[in-house]
Amino acid sequence: GNSVTQMEGPVTLSEEAFLTINCTYTATGYPSLFWYVQYPGEGLQLLLKATKADDKGSNKGFEATYRKETTSFHLEKGSVQVSDSAVYFCALSDEAGTALIFGKGTTLSVSS
Amino acid sequence: DTAVSQTPKYLVTQMGNDKSIKCEQNLGHDTMYWYKQDSKKFLKIMFSYNNKELIINETVPNRFSPKSPDKAHLNLHINSLELGDSAVYFCASSQEQGRNQPQHFGDGTRLSIL
Repeated sequence: GNSVTQMEGPVTLSEEAFLTINCTYTATGYPSLFWYVQYPGEGLQLLLKATKADDKGSNKGFEATYRKETTSFHLEKGSVQVSDSAVYFCALSDEAGTALIFGKGTTLSVSS
Repeated sequence: DTAVSQTPKYLVTQMGNDKSIKCEQNLGHDTMYWYKQDSKKFLKIMFSYNNKELIINETVPNRFSPKSPDKAHLNLHINSLELGDSAVYFCASSQEQGRNQPQHFGDGTRLSIL
C-alpha cells in the first residue's frame, strides 16, 4: 500500500542554519506530494506541493523537489528562523485522491 | 473569516458517553474529511465525503458515525467513548476529490476521555 516515511525528529537548529527534512514515499501510480506545517495548537497548513516528477514546490523560502527515481520529496530551507519552529508533515495523495497519507511528522525547533 | 471551523475546540468527557464534533467550511468545497491525530502526532484518515456521500471509511469502529447534512458540514458523532478515543480530531476540506487538491484543515478538537 501507499506510505510515507519521514526522518525522525526532533531537529534542533540555530537561527540561519540550513534545514533538510527527508521524506520518501511508496506508492503505485503517480501520487501528488505535499508538505504541511503545524504550529502549536493549530491545524495543518499547506506549505507546498508538487504534482509530477521533477516539479519543485516552493513557499516562504522552503523548497522540495519531486524525485521519482529516488521516490523522495525532501524539504529544504536555506536559513531558518525561530518562527519556523513547528511540526512538518510530508504527505501523498494517491491517484484517486480520496485522502492524504501522512508521514509521522518531524518536529523542528529553532533557537536564536 | 475562518475557512474550516470545528466546535468544540476542547472536549473532556467520561468513558461510555456519547459526544459530537461539528465541522463547517465556508470555502464552497465539495469534499470533506475527518482525520485522527494520536498522542505521537501521527495523522490518519477516518472518513472522506464527496458531495455529501461517503467515499472512504478507513476501518473505523462503527461507534464513529459521520453525518453530512449538506456540502458545507461534516459532523462526527461518537458513541460509547473509550479511553483509546482520546486524540485530536481534524476536519478538512478540498475543492473536489482529486490527487492535486490541497486540503484545508480546521484547528482541531482535542478529545480527552477520563
